[in-house]
Amino acid sequence: NAGVMQNPRHLVRRRGQEARLRCSPMKGHSHVYWYRQLPEEGLKFMVYLQKENIIDESGMPKERFSAEFPKEGPSILRIQQVVRGDSAAYFCASSPTGTITDTQYFGPGTRLTVL
Amino acid sequence: DAKTTQPNSMESNEEEPVHLPCNHSTISGTDYIHWYRQLPSQGPEYVIHGLTSNVNNRMASLAIAEDRKSSTLILHRATLRDAAVYYCILSASGTYKYIFGTGTRLKVLA
Repeated sequence: NAGVMQNPRHLVRRRGQEARLRCSPMKGHSHVYWYRQLPEEGLKFMVYLQKENIIDESGMPKERFSAEFPKEGPSILRIQQVVRGDSAAYFCASSPTGTITDTQYFGPGTRLTVL
Repeated sequence: DAKTTQPNSMESNEEEPVHLPCNHSTISGTDYIHWYRQLPSQGPEYVIHGLTSNVNNRMASLAIAEDRKSSTLILHRATLRDAAVYYCILSASGTYKYIFGTGTRLKVLA
């Protein structure tokens, strides 16, 4: 059973470009969470999605950031017009039911560098 | 959101037990306690979780204080592969977002 997959693992963008980060949850999981980790800090929650629905995006910046989890295909975190401050590791996690007792399984992350 | 407090770093000798403490004095009655660890350049890895009773699995044991205001992750025999940042996280009733602190960086000495 493959774990959570994220690609690309490393992404370099120049200021003003768009970054697209993809996350394929574990088989059978329909709940996806995105977190961001700045250097030497813990992870910060960004957004929680179920298939075709955004449930909670309270941790996501209001501008330039968006997320989707379509019926078919991976979840996508999109960052438009990237700035240097967006440089971070972005992790997604998935869980089967989204309940409080669920375990979230994390992917290996995408490390975004903005030049 | 209930907060957790952990020491910044700890050291252990290989093959010896390690006790990683976590304080969560504002925990609510229905908050679960989760432990994850993060190896360098990897995503967090689930270790163990519990509510009130002590828990054991193949990786570790979780000891929860009777008043639930603190917990301890126990690695019974530390190996070099256990060197990581260990996070103690509370998941509040009705929410699903994990609130990560800065964790404890565990160094294992050969």
